[in-house]
Parts: sequence; C-alpha cells; structure tokens
Amino acid sequence: ILNVEQSPQSLHVQEGDSTNFTCSFPSSNFYALHWYRWETAKSPEALFVMTLNGDEKKKGRISATLNTKEGYSYLYIKGSQPEDSATYLCALVDRGSTLGRLYFGRGTQLTVWP
Amino acid sequence: DTGVSQDPRHKITKRGQNVTFRCDPISEHNRLYWYRQTLGQGPEFLTYFQNEAQLEKSRLLSDRFSAERPKGSFSTLEIQRTEQGDSAMYLCASSLAELYEQYFGPGTRLTVT
Repeated sequence: ILNVEQSPQSLHVQEGDSTNFTCSFPSSNFYALHWYRWETAKSPEALFVMTLNGDEKKKGRISATLNTKEGYSYLYIKGSQPEDSATYLCALVDRGSTLGRLYFGRGTQLTVWP
Repeated sequence: DTGVSQDPRHKITKRGQNVTFRCDPISEHNRLYWYRQTLGQGPEFLTYFQNEAQLEKSRLLSDRFSAERPKGSFSTLEIQRTEQGDSAMYLCASSLAELYEQYFGPGTRLTVT
C-alpha cells in the first residue's frame, strides 16, 4: 500500500482568496501524479496529469507544481470562487505498476464562501 | 459521447442480498477501473480491465465480489451476500492508456442495512 498524504484535510476561504494544498508521496515509487476535482453529486474531474520533475501545469486559475525528488506536489487556486468548492484529490501512479492504477490521498475539502 | 455512466446511482439493500452495478465507459477507451470510497478515505483500487481481460484485482476484492467486462464494452460489478462493511461509493473510470487521465463516472452509492 502506498501512502499518499494530502493536507490540509479541509479549508474554508473567502471569495477572492488564493489558496494552496499539498500532496506528498514516496518519491521512490513515483511514476505519475494525477489531480482531480470532485464536486458533490458529480463525477471526479481530471485537472492535471504530471510526470516530470519540475513540471508546472495551469488551467485557468488553477495551477500545480511537481517535485518528484522530494515527493510532493502543490495545487494553487488563484482568486477562489464559490464554484471552486469541491474535494481535491491527488493520486499516484506507482513506478512498479504498468497498468495505471491510482493510489489516492484522502483529499482536501475546499469551501469558498461568497 | 457523454462520458462514463454508472447505474444505479443509489442502491439500498439488506444484508445478505446480492447487488450488481453497471458501468458504461467512454466507447474508445480500452482500459476500465473500479474503485471504492468509504467514509473519510480516498478512493481505493478494486480491479482493472484491458478490453475484456481482467488483469489485476486488489486484495480488497474478496470472493464475494466479481467483475466482468464482456466484449470489452460495459462492465458489471457484483457483490454477493452483502455486508454492512460493503457500504461505500463505487466508482468506475476509463482511460486510453496508462499515463492518460482517467474519466470517472458519478459513482453508485451502496447502503447495506
């Protein structure tokens, strides 16, 4: 079992605040990292798939960075909006797996107040 | 294609009953995954199909669980003799290849009373 840790567990911010979450994982097992956003009663939605050390990806106000040597990834949301309220999950693809199975963290639950 | 669909969305059953869930992946995706999420945890891998072949099963998948993907299209997950510990959200996902993003369905919420 791979240990993927996410912090904080939950976060409450005001509209307009910028925020960031952390995902940490065993660096020796790294093959790829996925970020997902999961809104209540909807399907988890893929945000990023990251594979290279130093990778930085951006989608609108959301961006992510990756450090495979120290085993962490950050997800940033600039100018949070109420519609950003969701659970953000990171998931590791293990080096030993060629099948793409994901090892998920417990997620960070973000609530953005208007 | 409207994405991955799952049916039913919710299922309430009594302990000891059998239940079956269905997943329809995105049509061109040959990889299909089942995950389970229990309260307070992240989703956990259950099993994986490439086309119709079931290539990996988690130790979480006891003998009461069986999954199929006939003809490499839709998949079913059956739980026999359900137990209260089976109560969870069951998620299905499909993808094109191992490093591609996985597209998830909305899940089936199972409650065993």
